[in-house]
Amino acid sequence: DAGVTQSPTHLIKTRGQQVTLRCSPKSGHDTVSWYQQALGQGPQFIFQYYEEEERQRGNFPDRFSGHQFPNYSSELNVNALLLGDSALYLCASSPLISTTGTVSYEQYFGPGTRLTVT
Amino acid sequence: AQKITQTQPGMFVQEKEAVTLDCTYDTSDPSYGLFWYKQPSSGEMIFLIYQGSYDQQNATEGRYSLNFQKARKSANLVISASQLGDSAMYFCAMREGPRTSYDKVIFGPGTSLSVIP
Repeated sequence: DAGVTQSPTHLIKTRGQQVTLRCSPKSGHDTVSWYQQALGQGPQFIFQYYEEEERQRGNFPDRFSGHQFPNYSSELNVNALLLGDSALYLCASSPLISTTGTVSYEQYFGPGTRLTVT
Repeated sequence: AQKITQTQPGMFVQEKEAVTLDCTYDTSDPSYGLFWYKQPSSGEMIFLIYQGSYDQQNATEGRYSLNFQKARKSANLVISASQLGDSAMYFCAMREGPRTSYDKVIFGPGTSLSVIP
């Protein structure tokens, strides 16, 4: 059973460019969350997708947008890249109901995409 | 205001000893949950333990236990019998509100743990 996968692993972009990061959730998971983790800091919540809609959003500008596909996979798009967007971008997936039939609280994280903006 | 506070930027512990990582939180919602995650140098975030605000007993998962003191808004992680592989960043995190299909999880700044042989 594959866990959460993200692509690409590393990415280098220049200021002003646009980038798309991809995430495939763990099998059976229908909710995908995206986080930005700057060096030496905790992850910051960007947004969460469920049933192909953005359900929750953190304090990030509209340059950050996303999408969830019918197969639950998700994309994070960042426009007009700034140097400050350099970070590790983490995707996490979760099910509403666990395999035991109880409400699940666990988020499974992918390995992340390291974005460097020069 | 900081929702999650971790006051120990760095901690050292001798191998095989127990260590406590501190976490305090701030919420006015009666329904919430606290998580602890481990992040090795490889970068992947690993779930360790979860405590719900209505759980009567402290959560335990193997060598990990969560010392939940609701009145003090404290959720400290205790690692027993530390191993060299426990060296990593540890993050305390919180979700608020009843569990729905969507959750916003807020992370603290983290504590770097180093296990000394």
